[in-house]
Amino acid sequence: DAMVIQNPRYQVTQFGKPVTLSCSQTLNHNVMYWYQQKSSQAPKLLFHYYDKDFNNEADTPDNFQSRRPNTSFCFLDIRSPGLGDAAMYLCATNPSGSYNEQFFGPGTRLTVL
Amino acid sequence: KQEVTQIPAALSVPEGENLVLNCSFTDSAIYNLQWFRQDPGKGLTSLLLIQSSQREQTSGRLNASLDKSSGRSTLYIAASQPGDSATYLCAVPTSGTYKYIFGTGTRLKVLA
Repeated sequence: DAMVIQNPRYQVTQFGKPVTLSCSQTLNHNVMYWYQQKSSQAPKLLFHYYDKDFNNEADTPDNFQSRRPNTSFCFLDIRSPGLGDAAMYLCATNPSGSYNEQFFGPGTRLTVL
Repeated sequence: KQEVTQIPAALSVPEGENLVLNCSFTDSAIYNLQWFRQDPGKGLTSLLLIQSSQREQTSGRLNASLDKSSGRSTLYIAASQPGDSATYLCAVPTSGTYKYIFGTGTRLKVLA
């Protein structure tokens, strides 16, 4: 089945230790998103790609970076995780824009010790 | 700037009850509105996508309506079941972009 896959599902890291979260899709969608979601809050968009065109949200901390080496894969790098970065990280895709629906992966739960 | 609000924040109902979840948005220039379900600790599952030209969209026991002029959408769940217990979120795309704004969700608990 076509889908959005996130690995790992659970990630534990230490304060300040870099971590990379991955997302892959078999849907061949142009747009990929990374969201951060904290408990009982709405998902917060960190950045998105339209193909290789990268779009960063103004309030996304510099500590967060992303890479999209090809259509299928997208990575979220957290250079120096702080305790406040503990959250659920959600990857989503969209075929080509605003008229279409988003498809989400299962998420990666990040714990920072 | 688009703002999306969902009321109530939490809802608890007995099994079998019909219920309505509300989603309000401030900018009516939307292309579509999407309803999601989120189980605890999980990702988001798309339930219904309703385009701006549509007034209703149905899937099984779920019916979503959209009234752009009043900035409102409702998600109607018929004959609720304990398995419907989850958080329900709505999201709208921001005009001219590929970005979506989410509501904070309604946490539903259906009691057996």
